[in-house]
Amino acid sequence: AQSVTQPDIHITVSEGASLELRCNYSYGATPYLFWYVQSPGQGLQLLLKYFSGDTLVQGIKGFEAEFKRSQSSFNLRKPSVHWSDAAEYFCAVGAYGGSQGNLIFGKGTKLSVKP
Amino acid sequence: EAQVTQNPRYLITVTGKKLTVTCSQNMNHEYMSWYRQDPGLGLRQIYYSMNVEVTDKGDVPEGYKVSRKEKRNFPLILESPSPNQTSLYFCASKPRGGGENEKLFFGSGTQLSVL
Repeated sequence: AQSVTQPDIHITVSEGASLELRCNYSYGATPYLFWYVQSPGQGLQLLLKYFSGDTLVQGIKGFEAEFKRSQSSFNLRKPSVHWSDAAEYFCAVGAYGGSQGNLIFGKGTKLSVKP
Repeated sequence: EAQVTQNPRYLITVTGKKLTVTCSQNMNHEYMSWYRQDPGLGLRQIYYSMNVEVTDKGDVPEGYKVSRKEKRNFPLILESPSPNQTSLYFCASKPRGGGENEKLFFGSGTQLSVL
């Protein structure tokens, strides 16, 4: 069965420090992979997505993620965190060419940023 | 402006009193979906619809109904709400076709409390 694991429930980093949020997935076919961000009181916004090709994908707000098939991972990174990045982050996996959008979401990682 | 609109934003009700949460999108998307978000559980899919008059169960459909009579609207119906349906609900939509256009657009959420 498809699943997504985000091992870290809550992470705190200092402003200006680098960030890596972990995501591992289990999926039998070629996956679509996504990272969404949810600011307090808001809906979810797409940060970036991977379908094929270059395994390092760039997203909005200075985020990037790297797909590593051998590790079934899709970790999100940012070189220098800003206070406005404090939010909850969700990794998701979808079916490639399949169910047209049924995404499986991880349970989320809440990011706090220290001044 | 392209958007997914949910109403109401906040709702407090009592056990057993039927309610409907509306969802409307102005992007002519074929696919629409409802999720509930609970602390520590991430987003779980309730129902989804691939097109008008086509709906299917997600992971947690019990206690919910949906309908898709028009392309733009996808209401979520709770015939007899119970306290365990207290949650934050999100509607989402996306165009058919997948591939590079694979991206869910989310509404701002409806916080439901069932007393």
